[in-house]
Amino acid sequence: GQNIDQPTEMTATEGAIVQINCTYQTSGFNGLFWYQQHAGEAPTFLSYNVLDGLEEKGRFSSFLSRSKGYSYLLLKELQMKDSASYLCACMDSNYQLIWGAGTKLIIKP
Amino acid sequence: GAVVSQHPSRVICKSGTSVKIECRSLDFQATTMFWYRQFPKQSLMLMATSNEGSKATYEQGVEKDKFLINHASLTLSTLTVTSAHPEDSSFYICSARDRGTGDIGELFFGEGSRLTVL
Repeated sequence: GQNIDQPTEMTATEGAIVQINCTYQTSGFNGLFWYQQHAGEAPTFLSYNVLDGLEEKGRFSSFLSRSKGYSYLLLKELQMKDSASYLCACMDSNYQLIWGAGTKLIIKP
Repeated sequence: GAVVSQHPSRVICKSGTSVKIECRSLDFQATTMFWYRQFPKQSLMLMATSNEGSKATYEQGVEKDKFLINHASLTLSTLTVTSAHPEDSSFYICSARDRGTGDIGELFFGEGSRLTVL
């Protein structure tokens, strides 16, 4: 079956760096997305990886290894506003998005 | 970036009534829109894929007669929760992809609609 695994919850300190991992098993692969979702709000797009390697976008970077079925989202210089859930989603061969359960990130001062 | 507007953001209704939620792509055309449901502390659950000009495709376990979807134009899809019951209380989110990007491209999400059925 298709499956996306990511940690349920993580805690980090303001100003620090945190890495949120995501492993996936899907029928085919057409890319991996990371979304941020604040409580009570809809998700917002952060990144899309379809080739191996690191994509950097400001304080956020996303990495993909297709051979390992693995991705991570790296957040640098953490700010309190980064407290949110981070959703990993894979697009399978039918272009359907398979969603992870999300990682709740708690930032402490 | 592209904007998807969803309305209403919050609705409270009595059990047995029907509620309509609208999803509009404001600055792009979307041949396909997606309707999700999200319970607290859980991930997004795809309910159905709304196709412009044709019938929606429902995921397994989602009652098509209860969750009516209409995608009348390239910029508007509606979800009607018919005869709502308290167990239908949830956060409903729509999303769309710019038809110009084809099947691949980021999904743009509406603001979500929190439905509470009393």
